[in-house]
Amino acid sequence: KNEVEQSPQNLTAQEGEFITINCSYSVGISALHWLQQHPGGGIVSLFMLSSGKKKHGRLIATINIQEKHSSLHITASHPRDSAVYICAVESSNFGNEKLTFGTGTRLTIIP
Amino acid sequence: DGGITQSPKYLFRKEGQNVTLSCEQNLNHDAMYWYRQDPGQGLRLIYYSQIVNDFQKGDIAEGYSVSREKKESFPLTVTSAQKNPTAFYLCASSKGRTASEQYFGPGTRLTVT
Repeated sequence: KNEVEQSPQNLTAQEGEFITINCSYSVGISALHWLQQHPGGGIVSLFMLSSGKKKHGRLIATINIQEKHSSLHITASHPRDSAVYICAVESSNFGNEKLTFGTGTRLTIIP
Repeated sequence: DGGITQSPKYLFRKEGQNVTLSCEQNLNHDAMYWYRQDPGQGLRLIYYSQIVNDFQKGDIAEGYSVSREKKESFPLTVTSAQKNPTAFYLCASSKGRTASEQYFGPGTRLTVT
C-alpha cells in the first residue's frame, strides 16, 4: 500500500462545478503539500499546510491530522484548471528531508 | 527573474550511453533534488543535496550519479547501468535544508532506445 493515496485518479467535470480531490496518508507528517502539474510537465506548488485550512483564490485546501486526510477543493471550476493535482507529504520519520508523493489526480474541465 | 532551468526539454540517447541532465537555479536555494516520474506512479526521489559538495541517495539511486560542485548547479548523470532510463526527470530546489516549498524545473523527457 502506498504511503500517500489520492482519489479519484481521474475526474472530468463541467465548467462551473465544485471539485473535490482527496488525499489520505499512512505516516506521521510534519506538513502536506498540494501541487499542480500542467500538461507540459511543469509543477507548481499550490499549498503547504500542517493544520486547518488555506484558501487562495478559488482553491481551498483542508487537512485533518487525526484522520490523516486532506482535500483540495476548486470552486467555480474553469477549463484552465485542467491539470494533474498531486498530494505530497513531509514525513516526520525522515526529519523533513524528503517528500513522498501520491500518484496524482488528472482533472479535466469541459467548457 | 529567478527560477530553475533544466535542459534540454527532450533528450534522445542510444542504449549503453551515459547522458547528463542539466539543472541550474538562481534562487539561492541550499537544497536541490532530482525526481523521476513514470506514468501511473508518483514522483520518486533519485538524489538530493542539502549543501555544496554533499549529496544523499534517494529511493531509486541505482544507475544514477550526481555532483554538487556549485550551489547553483546539480547535474544528474543517467548511466548505462540504469535498466529502464526512459522517463520524465524533474529537478527541484528548496530554501534551507528541509523539503518545504519546493520549486520545480520544467523537466527533461529522456528517451533511450
